[in-house]
Amino acid sequence: NAGVTQTPKFQVLKTGQSMTLQCAQDMNHEYMSWYRQDPGMGLRLIHYSVGAGITDQGEVPNGYNVSRSTTEDFPLRLLSAAPSQTSVYFCASSSHKTTGNYGYTFGSGTRLTVV
Amino acid sequence: DAKTTQPNSMESNEEEPVHLPCNHSTISGTDYIHWYRQLPSQGPEYVIHGLTSNVNNRMASLAIAEDRKSSTLILHRATLRDAAVYYCILATSSNTGKLIFGQGTTLQVKP
Repeated sequence: NAGVTQTPKFQVLKTGQSMTLQCAQDMNHEYMSWYRQDPGMGLRLIHYSVGAGITDQGEVPNGYNVSRSTTEDFPLRLLSAAPSQTSVYFCASSSHKTTGNYGYTFGSGTRLTVV
Repeated sequence: DAKTTQPNSMESNEEEPVHLPCNHSTISGTDYIHWYRQLPSQGPEYVIHGLTSNVNNRMASLAIAEDRKSSTLILHRATLRDAAVYYCILATSSNTGKLIFGQGTTLQVKP
């Protein structure tokens, strides 16, 4: 199993550009979520999904869009990048069937710099 | 969402036990207590979780107070590789995909 795969690992954007951060999991997990982590800070929830076709906002959703057309994929789209969105982004997945044993699985992150 | 309170930092000596405390006085009856850790430059890693009873796994033990308003993560023999930020998080039993992270406890392990 690959677990949770995030691409790209690093990205530099210019202010105003848009891009999509990819997240894929091969564990058939229903639940997926996106977090951002600023330097020296804890993780903050951006958006989450409880299944294909269902998404909801987290703590800091502004400036980001998500969609969940398949169980496996949960892309995060930056609409118009701003320097304040410079951060490390983590994707996570879980299942109510397995959470009792394994909790949430996180990807290795995407380090985004907006200049 | 119910909040947790953890000390900002703790120190331990290598091969000694470590007790990491967490207060969650507003916990509801359906909240699970999760612990994750984050090593430098890595994503968070699941450590353990529980609801009411104490839990043990290969990584750690979780001791939950009888009133569930506090818990303690126990690393039985700290190693240098256990140096990380440890997060105590409450998650609803419905598991909606939401984990709300606090600041966590930075654990330093001295050789």
